[in-house]
This record gives sequence, C-alpha cells and structure tokens, in this order.
Amino acid sequence: DADVTQTPRNRITKTGKRIMLECSQTKGHDRMYWYRQDPGLGLRLIYYSFDVKDINKGEISDGYSVSRQAQAKFSLSLESAIPNQTALYFCATSGTSGGTDTQYFGPGTRLTVL
Amino acid sequence: QQQVKQSPQSLIVQKGGIPIINCAYENTAFDYFPWYQQFPGKGPALLIAIRPDVSEKKEGRFTISFNKSAKQFSLHIMDSQPGDSATYFCAARGGGGADGLTFGKGTHLIIQP
Repeated sequence: DADVTQTPRNRITKTGKRIMLECSQTKGHDRMYWYRQDPGLGLRLIYYSFDVKDINKGEISDGYSVSRQAQAKFSLSLESAIPNQTALYFCATSGTSGGTDTQYFGPGTRLTVL
Repeated sequence: QQQVKQSPQSLIVQKGGIPIINCAYENTAFDYFPWYQQFPGKGPALLIAIRPDVSEKKEGRFTISFNKSAKQFSLHIMDSQPGDSATYFCAARGGGGADGLTFGKGTHLIIQP
C-alpha cells in the first residue's frame, strides 16, 4: 500500500460548490503539507501543519481551509470553488525524527472546477 | 515574487550527455535545497538534496553543485538515459522555523535515445 494516499484522485465540480480533498499517511510523520501544481508554475504551498494543533498558512492560502483530524489525516477544503482553482493538488508529509527533511508526496488529486 | 528561479524551462539531450539544470534563489534564510523528479501522473519524488554548508553532493549519476555566495545551485545528470526523461524541480526550504518548500517552475527534460 502507498504511504501517502489522496482521495479522490479526480474530481469535477461546479463553481460555488464546497469541495474536500483528503490525505492520509502511514509513515508516522508529524508534518503534513498541501501544495497546488499548475502547468508552468511549479508547486506552490497552500497550508502546512507541524502537528495536530499547529496549522500554518503557505504562499497561497486564500480560498482554502484545512483540517488536521489526526496525525495521519490532513484535509483541504475549498469553501466555494472557482474555476481558477482548477489544478493538481498534492499532499506531502515529512518527519522530524531521524534527522530527515525529505517530503514524501502523494499521487495527487486532479480538480476541475467548471 | 518568485523566490526560486529555474532554467531552462525545457531541455533535450542525447543519451549519455550531461543535462544541467540551474536554479537561483533570493532568500538567504533558505536552509535546505532539494531536487525533485516527477513523471507524468505521479507525485514528485526526492532525487537529491543539499544544505548550504556543502558545495557539492553526489548520489549515483546525480550531482548538486551549490554556490552560496552567488545564491545558485544546479543539478547535473551524468550518463543520462531515456528513463531520466521527466520534469525536474528545484526547491528551497524557508529556514528559521518556517517549513514547506518553495519550488522553481520546473524543467521538462527529454533524453533522446
């Protein structure tokens, strides 16, 4: 089984709808992240969480919210989706133990807002 | 404001050649510089990373060169193979307690047989 899973893998929705993207990890990591990837723009950080009680805004948090339900689960919500939120969304995790800085990415969720 | 600038945007190299991808950064607080490799339909995967107190790091066919004074770093792929065809991203981490990565815009690399 994959260490970082994202659901759904693909989603098409309409403008104004509320959408939740979910991320789960079995790596035992304390840090989790949400990124957005747009063609030609690389990946941009939306939110990150050091642990269940610590959530921080990234570069492009406007229009998004997150919830860290447990150490292993981190959800991204679009309260009222708009077309320019059409993108590929990635969840990532990293651990502070073991001296590693590596972020491990999930397979991504392709979101289309019509 | 783009804090990590990556070039070139695309690159075509013959098999066995040495593609070089360059990145420049502005924020001197960055404390960790990874390179990620992404294949179509997949999430990015860490390829190699370096810290600013080291000028070069090699892992297999992949080498990072780091120039702290110039605020530049580059990825070299030795003996490139068609299987290396992918999109490569440089990135930098904030430092000073900030977390999360700032990515370059990516380089689409094609290794021709």
